[in-house]
Amino acid sequence: NAGVTQTPKFQVLKTGQSMTLQCAQDMNHEYMSWYRQDPGMGLRLIHYSVGAGITDQGEVPNGYNVSRSTTEDFPLRLLSAAPSQTSVYFCASTESGRVTWANTGELFFGEGSRLTVL
Amino acid sequence: AQSVTQLDSQVPVFEEAPVELRCNYSSSVSVYLFWYVQYPNQGLQLLLKYLSGSTLVKGINGFEAEFNKSQTSFHLRKPSVHISDTAEYFCAVIRSSSMEYGNKLVFGAGTILRVKS
Repeated sequence: NAGVTQTPKFQVLKTGQSMTLQCAQDMNHEYMSWYRQDPGMGLRLIHYSVGAGITDQGEVPNGYNVSRSTTEDFPLRLLSAAPSQTSVYFCASTESGRVTWANTGELFFGEGSRLTVL
Repeated sequence: AQSVTQLDSQVPVFEEAPVELRCNYSSSVSVYLFWYVQYPNQGLQLLLKYLSGSTLVKGINGFEAEFNKSQTSFHLRKPSVHISDTAEYFCAVIRSSSMEYGNKLVFGAGTILRVKS
């Protein structure tokens, strides 16, 4: 059971560099999302997708891009890394992006990608 | 916009003692509520959820939570904790009328539970 797989687990960047955090899920989930976790601030939503070809912004989208060309993959791109983007990033998915009684509402999380920007 | 307040950033407790982690939310409408747990260096996993029905919800690892609509609270409890319960716990809320998750699912800042021997 692979679930949600994130790569890389650790990354160090210099200011101005770009990179892509990869996220893949093998559960045929419609909904995928990216969060960042910072001490004392909980989880903040960066971008999300309710299906292939559909993405939308979350609470803190600036400096990040996403695309959803397949159901399985949802990469997060940092365009020009800044020290403020030092964080732990989590990808999460669930069966459907729609909130319904039948939808358990359980998000399945990857193990996280720890990014340091110098 | 709704919000979630976890009243304690850290809760130290001795092994086998009871614990309560507090969560309050701001919403005047019907909501779904969740508690997630994050063990060190891992992603979050669902501990329990409240959708409707009985206000006392039981989850994994002996945890339970009580939904109190009048106090807009969803406190997490365990009668006797173990060292292995050391983790960060997140409360989350979404309006049941929400069409999709996205920005509607709001997480609290988290409470670190430290169980001491």
